[in-house]
Amino acid sequence: GAVVSQHPSWVICKSGTSVKIECRSLDFQATTMFWYRQFPKQSLMLMATSNEGSKATYEQGVEKDKFLINHASLTLSTLTVTSAHPEDSSFYICSARDPGLVHNEQFFGPGTRLTVL
Amino acid sequence: GQNIDQPTEMTATEGAIVQINCTYQTSGFNGLFWYQQHAGEAPTFLSYNVLDGLEEKGRFSSFLSRSKGYSYLLLKELQMKDSASYLCAVRDPYSSASKIIFGSGTRLSIRP
Repeated sequence: GAVVSQHPSWVICKSGTSVKIECRSLDFQATTMFWYRQFPKQSLMLMATSNEGSKATYEQGVEKDKFLINHASLTLSTLTVTSAHPEDSSFYICSARDPGLVHNEQFFGPGTRLTVL
Repeated sequence: GQNIDQPTEMTATEGAIVQINCTYQTSGFNGLFWYQQHAGEAPTFLSYNVLDGLEEKGRFSSFLSRSKGYSYLLLKELQMKDSASYLCAVRDPYSSASKIIFGSGTRLSIRP
């Protein structure tokens, strides 16, 4: 199956700093990637849809100026959490849609655990 | 909008069979997914249903009834490693990006 990587797998930062998370599709080209956030014992909440070569589409209630998304190539999308605060501590997961598959399944990266002190 | 309901927690015995139900209310329909997620890990794809009926894949089967807005995931010959959260998700039919919306998940615990 398709492989999606994320880096870093975990990060601890001080309040007020910015953190960048990378999401890569390793064996397919993904024109569309998705960013999710998951709090403990809760389900995945879609934050935004990342489109290669164009602006991301954010879900209602997600601050686009705080969560900057860049999808500069067909295999890489980045999420930058700007001026992070403790309430931003969460599990961030990206997924990539493989357009070559019949059902357009999404494949998930391993996730990035962000802890803001 | 979309609303997806599934039980919060379930418990089953090793070697047994368990059925996890999911009901959805959506303004349209374009496919339903089941994902497995172990604690601290990303979800992994289990199944996809877009037509009514049963899809079988090894120990796992998934069923869909579009008229009832209902799906279930059936796990047979349960193993301890099946302890995980199981997420029901529907594809947004109005999304050109084919985004999917997840239910809250069912935490399944397997006891010896």
